[in-house]
Amino acid sequence: DVKVTQSSRYLVKRTGEKVFLECVQDMDHENMFWYRQDPGLGLRLIYFSYDVKMKEKGDIPEGYSVSREKKERFSLILESASTNQTSMYLCASSRRSGGTQYFGPGTRLTVL
Amino acid sequence: AQTVTQSQPEMSVQEAETVTLSCTYDTSESDYYLFWYKQPPSRQMILVIRQEAYKQQNATENRFSVNFQKAAKSFSLKISDSQLGDAAMYFCAYRTTQGGSEKLVFGKGTKLTVNP
Repeated sequence: DVKVTQSSRYLVKRTGEKVFLECVQDMDHENMFWYRQDPGLGLRLIYFSYDVKMKEKGDIPEGYSVSREKKERFSLILESASTNQTSMYLCASSRRSGGTQYFGPGTRLTVL
Repeated sequence: AQTVTQSQPEMSVQEAETVTLSCTYDTSESDYYLFWYKQPPSRQMILVIRQEAYKQQNATENRFSVNFQKAAKSFSLKISDSQLGDAAMYFCAYRTTQGGSEKLVFGKGTKLTVNP
């Protein structure tokens, strides 16, 4: 089975802190994604990566950056967390072309 | 840009009954993929069913089936013999096949309650 894991299920941070969310997949997938999920808004794509060190902006990249130094790991970085970044963050991965996206369990981030 | 609309924010069904969740989408493309994902409370999002637009036959996975109407741009999910474990948020999603993009466009979700 495909396994996508995220470093934390719950995280509480203070405004202005630098926050790292980590995602690891074990299926040698080329593509990895970070989504944000908010009630009534569904899932919105923040960034995705189709290869090591490659990244593309999604629909809402402002306030976020990403890092992909190894194929299996994709990190989401909040340089200076703000209260409007309180949300559920979901990571996903898929193979290069035509693949189904497989999701991690999510990280519920609260910024105080 | 493609959009996905789920017009039912919430639905409920009695255990063992059948329920249909609606999804419509807007695209000018002729080839694409459509998905239904399920997200149980506090649990991981999982794929329920997938449909390739070039296939006329509706996809089926056990108790889950879709009614894919390409001309109407409609992709509804039917759950037969509903079980308590079917209670979840259901998301409809669209993916293009063009330009190498693997981006999924999601609807806002439908919360399904299953009553015993």
